[in-house]
Amino acid sequence: KQEVTQIPAALSVPEGENLVLNCSFTDSAIYNLQWFRQDPGKGLTSLLLIQSSQREQTSGRLNASLDKSSGRSTLYIAASQPGDSATYLCAVADYKLSFGAGTTVTVRA
Amino acid sequence: EPEVTQTPSHQVTQMGQEVILRCVPISNHLYFYWYRQILGQKVEFLVSFYNNEISEKSEIFDDQFSVERPDGSNFTLKIRSTKLEDSAMYFCASSEVHRGSLYGYTFGSGTRLTVV
Repeated sequence: KQEVTQIPAALSVPEGENLVLNCSFTDSAIYNLQWFRQDPGKGLTSLLLIQSSQREQTSGRLNASLDKSSGRSTLYIAASQPGDSATYLCAVADYKLSFGAGTTVTVRA
Repeated sequence: EPEVTQTPSHQVTQMGQEVILRCVPISNHLYFYWYRQILGQKVEFLVSFYNNEISEKSEIFDDQFSVERPDGSNFTLKIRSTKLEDSAMYFCASSEVHRGSLYGYTFGSGTRLTVV
């Protein structure tokens, strides 16, 4: 059974700092890994998708890495802004998506 | 950008009543899913659906639940005889390719179901 863990559970940083969010998973037989953003009481917005054959994916200030063999992914957010405050979810895809519990980020102005 | 649309955004129902949650997946997507998130817990898989059949389902998806694609655009989740523990945010998702393998999943904004 796939288990996805995200560390830390919460993070508070001043504006401008870089963010590092970690995700680990137990079964490396995955199709891909997807990072989502969730605002309180809202839906899931896809941020980045990394295929199992890829090592890295970038979109603007966001960069995600994947080390499938060790079961780890890291999401980097450069130069954080207050608008980045949200919960970030990691999800790995085999026959279904398995989600981590998320990292709740607060960026202080 | 194409969206998955869910209605209603919030539904309150009495325990024991039946509810139907509705979703309009992205038009060229062939695979459809329901997930749920109980407050404070992880998002969890309920069911996947393709070609008018359930492809996979979790142990949560028991006889109380059913899914249907009643026409060419809608995808519904029916919960019979709701229980207090069914209170959760229900997310519909769709993907172009099986199990989201190439392009990932697109999620809707969710329906918050409150059972009282």
